[in-house]
Order: sequence, then structure tokens, then C-alpha cells
Amino acid sequence: DAKTTQPNSMESNEEEPVHLPCNHSTISGTDYIHWYRQLPSQGPEYVIHGLTSNVNNRMASLAIAEDRKSSTLILHRATLRDAAVYYCILRDVGSARQLTFGSGTQLTVLP
Amino acid sequence: DTEVTQTPKHLVMGMTNKKSLKCEQHMGHRAMYWYKQKAKKPPELMFVYSYEKLSINESVPSRFSPECPNSSLLNLHLHALQPEDSALYLCASSRPERTGQGRGYTFGSGTRLTVV
Repeated sequence: DAKTTQPNSMESNEEEPVHLPCNHSTISGTDYIHWYRQLPSQGPEYVIHGLTSNVNNRMASLAIAEDRKSSTLILHRATLRDAAVYYCILRDVGSARQLTFGSGTQLTVLP
Repeated sequence: DTEVTQTPKHLVMGMTNKKSLKCEQHMGHRAMYWYKQKAKKPPELMFVYSYEKLSINESVPSRFSPECPNSSLLNLHLHALQPEDSALYLCASSRPERTGQGRGYTFGSGTRLTVV
């Protein structure tokens, strides 16, 4: 499976944008980029996913580099409730490979 | 109903006890999963059921025994556990098709298991 690399931790101020990076230099053409987050004492929850184009939904935006070797999850206005571990995960469209979590980024939001 | 419900939320058991964790979903998902998560670590896959049949066992010790009685229910039977088995056990469900598309997995909040 292609591997992702994320910073261990990041801090952000409340109500400011947050850019969470993910490197995936060995991504294949059939890998979707998925983001999940895990709030304290909760199971992971789906945030967003994309293949080549940038994506927006009510939770976040996903910016994918043109060569697809990196991506950035953007939270437009961080709130205290966004403090969580954010996981960047690759899933191959052509296989039944399971969701495999890397170490993720612990986001701390400062009031 | 877009939830995965896990019971109990907390469980303390002795090493000689037998207990079961339960997971239920009513989203029509035909793939269900058990993950184990130790403190400050990412979730690790244990078992996968696809259309009520066990499709993946990630070399999990036999003291963990999964069961999928129907398309909505997933159980994890526990017997003769060790203290190092203490962890958060997460259940998830998804459509089983071979695709990276879609919203992917829906997770429950987990069962916090302590083995004493």
C-alpha cells in the first residue's frame, strides 16, 4: 500500500484557517485520498475524499497537488471542536483493500 | 439512521471471564469491521466481514472470536484475555464494493475494554 506522511502535531488559533499537509509520493493513479478525523473518546469520522480535483464539503476542503504527491486538508475556521487526530489515507479504487490508518496529525486549537 | 452503535461503552473483565462486544448498523452496509486501538496509536484492523462471511482475519489470537449473525449485527466474543488486550475496540461498516469512492467507513464510538 502507498504510504502517507503527516506531521505528528500542529497548533492553530480558534477561528483561523488550518492547513493540514499530507505527503504521498508513491501514490498510484487509482488511489483515492481520504481524510478521517478522530475526536477524543470517539471513533474516526469521515471528513472528505478526492482523486485529482480539489473538493469542498461542509466540513472542509481538500486541495490536491497537480502531481498528486501531496494534499492539504483545509479547515476554513477552526473551532475548539475541531481538535482531533486527522488521518490522511490512500484507498485503491480497484481493490478491496481495507482502511489502513497511519499515525495522523494531532491538531490542537487554541482559544 | 446513519450510525454504528456499539455496546457496552465500557467493560471491565477478568482474565478468566467470557464477554461479548456488540455492534449494530441499519445503513444497509454489507461490510463490517473490528478495529483495535491502543492509547495514542492509530486503529488497527482485526477482522472484516463481507456479506456476513469472514473475509479477513489479521492474524488475531483465537481468544478473540468474531461473529456476524445477520447483515446488521457484528459481535466480538472475548475469552481468556490478557491485560495487554486492554484497548478501545471500534466497529465500522461500509459498502463492500471494490471502490475507493464514497464516504467510506462509518465508525462507532467504541467499547473501552479493561482486562484485569
